[in-house]
Amino acid sequence: GESVGLHLPTLSVQEGDNSIINCAYSNSASDYFIWYKQESGKGPQFIIDIRSNMDKRQGQRVTVLLNKTVKHLSLQIAATQPGDSAVYFCAPLVSALIFGKGTTLSVSS
Amino acid sequence: DVKVTQSSRYLVKRTGEKVFLECVQDMDHENMFWYRQDPGLGLRLIYFSYDVKMKEKGDIPEGYSVSREKKERFSLILESASTNQTSMYLCASSSLWTGDGYTFGSGTRLTVV
Repeated sequence: GESVGLHLPTLSVQEGDNSIINCAYSNSASDYFIWYKQESGKGPQFIIDIRSNMDKRQGQRVTVLLNKTVKHLSLQIAATQPGDSAVYFCAPLVSALIFGKGTTLSVSS
Repeated sequence: DVKVTQSSRYLVKRTGEKVFLECVQDMDHENMFWYRQDPGLGLRLIYFSYDVKMKEKGDIPEGYSVSREKKERFSLILESASTNQTSMYLCASSSLWTGDGYTFGSGTRLTVV
């Protein structure tokens, strides 16, 4: 089955820095990927998605990069703010979304 | 906005009890999902459903069952609750396979004592 790994369980950055959160997946048949943000006490919230026919997609302050050759995604957050502090999950879609363990992003002022 | 509502925010149940966790979505989504979330383990898929009266096992279905009698409601059932089922349970729904991903409820924190 699919497995998802995030390279770092925690990431600490200063306000205003750019953040990069990485994710590796195992199933080369995965063709749709979603990044979620989960704040304390809440359910995961959709951030951005990308399909396998793309290698980059941009949203507001966020960019997702997909490298299918090495089965790797990254989420880049520009000008990180304290409100970005949360747990971030990447989730490839197979028959259902498969979540990794998440990366906890801590932003200090 | 799609709203996914889980009936209880916190539950405390005794070992051996039959427990029902309810989830309702209001956007006519075909797909509904139950995950549990534990520290260090991320979200793990328990069961999901693509349509009324159908269900599929996820990665960790043991000790659980589900019911989907109506499109908007997906129930997770713990037949005989055990302490290792103490967890945060998250329900989600989505429209077919794609679109804007899944919408999650706020979760039910279940403690089995």
